Amino acid sequence: AQSVTQPDIHITVSEGASLELRCNYSYGATPYLFWYVQSPGQGLQLLLKYFSGDTLVQGIKGFEAEFKRSQSSFNLRKPSVHWSDAAEYFCAGVSGTYKYIFGTGTRLKVLA
Amino acid sequence: EAGVAQSPRYKIIEKRQSVAFWCNPISGHATLYWYQQILGQGPKLLIQFQNNGVVDDSQLPKDRFSAERLKGVDSTLKIQPAKLEDSAVYLCASSLDRNTEAFFGQGTRLTVV
Repeated sequence: AQSVTQPDIHITVSEGASLELRCNYSYGATPYLFWYVQSPGQGLQLLLKYFSGDTLVQGIKGFEAEFKRSQSSFNLRKPSVHWSDAAEYFCAGVSGTYKYIFGTGTRLKVLA
Repeated sequence: EAGVAQSPRYKIIEKRQSVAFWCNPISGHATLYWYQQILGQGPKLLIQFQNNGVVDDSQLPKDRFSAERLKGVDSTLKIQPAKLEDSAVYLCASSLDRNTEAFFGQGTRLTVV
């Protein structure tokens, strides 16, 4: 079955430290992949997307993600985290059936 | 460009009552989604429209939930009768087409007491 997995439920980092949030997908073919961020009481905001081509994609707010077919992964990274990055992050995929599937999310806490 | 608009933002009802949510997608977006997000979980797709036709409603509890998208623009999601486990945030999203990125509204937080 098609799925998107985020292995880490919670992650805590210090402000200024680097960040990597993991995402793994299980699809028959390479899906379109997305990362969204959700602040408390808000909807989901698109950070970045991967459709094809360059496997390193840049997004908003200094985020980037790398698509690795061999590992079925699409991990989100940021070199230096800011306190305002504290939020919940969702990885999502769209398959050939055009159905969006979300992971369960990773809640990021940033220590001052 | 205006985003996806949803109303109301918050709703509290008693179990067995009915409730309706409204969504106005981004202009020109053919695809519209309704998601249910229970606290601590990722969004779960309830129904997906392509223009005014249903593409996927496999996870919609059809005995109590219904949705429509008349004229392929606005959409309403209804729950009748509501159960305690329906307490969640209901998110509407739209995309230009089925394989492009989705843009989300701020959601409606439903509390069933």
